Amino acid sequence: DTAVSQTPKYLVTQMGNDKSIKCEQNLGHDTMYWYKQDSKKFLKIMFSYNNKELIINETVPNRFSPKSPDKAHLNLHINSLELGDSAVYFCASSLRTGSWNLAKNIQYFGAGTRLSVL
Amino acid sequence: DQQVKQNSPSLSVQEGRISILNCDYTNSMFDYFLWYKKYPAEGPTFLISISSIKDKNEDGRFTVFLNKSAKHLSLHIVPSQPGDSAVYFCAASLTGTYKYIFGTGTRLKVLA
Repeated sequence: DTAVSQTPKYLVTQMGNDKSIKCEQNLGHDTMYWYKQDSKKFLKIMFSYNNKELIINETVPNRFSPKSPDKAHLNLHINSLELGDSAVYFCASSLRTGSWNLAKNIQYFGAGTRLSVL
Repeated sequence: DQQVKQNSPSLSVQEGRISILNCDYTNSMFDYFLWYKKYPAEGPTFLISISSIKDKNEDGRFTVFLNKSAKHLSLHIVPSQPGDSAVYFCAASLTGTYKYIFGTGTRLKVLA
């Protein structure tokens, strides 16, 4: 039973299209994240939601919009896809924020979604 | 501006020997550090962490050392096993931010 699951695993699409990636966690965590790993292997935070509230919003184009219908789900919608959006996108979750004990906030990752924009 | 750096993209080690993976950081405010392991087509998996109030943390074959004055941490794997072959990422975090800043990873290959 996968703890953090992402769908789809692979996504190939044309420039200009709109696509969504879904993420679900069954760990009972309060906080979820989206990361992007580019061709240089940098793994960078994009967004984070805590109990459906946006708490981290890095410098990401407006074409990227996260949506959290409930604390177990965090979806990523991308409008007008560009070649540079090609990357692996990872979803992650952690127990809770609001705790100063970072040991209680270890992030657990999904297997990733490889997005290829042609 | 890369705040967390792993300067060795790859490392090969014989089975049974020690693997040492290194990581440097630039922000002296970071107070929590982690190592993740990643196999192909899988997400990063948490391995071990250390708080800045410690200089060493052990978990079985894995030990992380932190040298705050040098802004350097290292992961020691003893003895190395073929199943340890993976990409290892170090990450740094700052209390209150809940953001992890990752290095670019070191690919470890343990030779049987």
